[in-house]
Amino acid sequence: GQQVMQIPQYQHVQEGEDFTTYCNSSTTLSNIQWYKQRPGGHPVFLIQLVKSGEVKKQKRLTFQFGEAKKNSSLHITATQTTDVGTYFCAGPWGKLQFGAGTQVVVTP
Amino acid sequence: NAGVTQTPKFQVLKTGQSMTLQCAQDMNHEYMSWYRQDPGMGLRLIHYSVGAGITDQGEVPNGYNVSRSTTEDFPLRLLSAAPSQTSVYFCASSSLFGRTDTQYFGPGTRLTVL
Repeated sequence: GQQVMQIPQYQHVQEGEDFTTYCNSSTTLSNIQWYKQRPGGHPVFLIQLVKSGEVKKQKRLTFQFGEAKKNSSLHITATQTTDVGTYFCAGPWGKLQFGAGTQVVVTP
Repeated sequence: NAGVTQTPKFQVLKTGQSMTLQCAQDMNHEYMSWYRQDPGMGLRLIHYSVGAGITDQGEVPNGYNVSRSTTEDFPLRLLSAAPSQTSVYFCASSSLFGRTDTQYFGPGTRLTVL
């Protein structure tokens, strides 16, 4: 069956640095979604990517969907303490399978 | 709008007990779903529904029942609780028309089975 994997599992970042988290699916996805979950909170929808090679930006966050629609990435520039949390990719919409997430810790 | 609400927030059960986790949304969303989240893991889909009277199984349906008699409510029933069902349960909803991609999650129910 379909598997969704994320790397790295943990990401320690100094405030102001950039980092990227990666998501890989064992099967082609019709779409992929990204969520953020703060410690003790619930997942919050960030974005959905649908097209091959699609790139979307939300302020300091850049999301990319691979050409083969089997991988995706989230790049955060100039990390802030508000970026702390776990970032999940999931797909496809309707019967989402989530990756295990990348837990981001930001040191001031 | 209250969005997606879940009750209770916390629950402790003994092995073999049954209970129902409640989920309600006031956004008139057709699609509703239940997930469980275990420590250090992503969410896993238990059951989902695309409208009143229509439900289907997700990735981990065993030990759980659902029904959807109204658009607003989507309760999750644990038939005979087991320690392996200790988890945080999230309910979510989204629209099937218009802006279909955004899925709204409830605050979660933290369940412990002893």
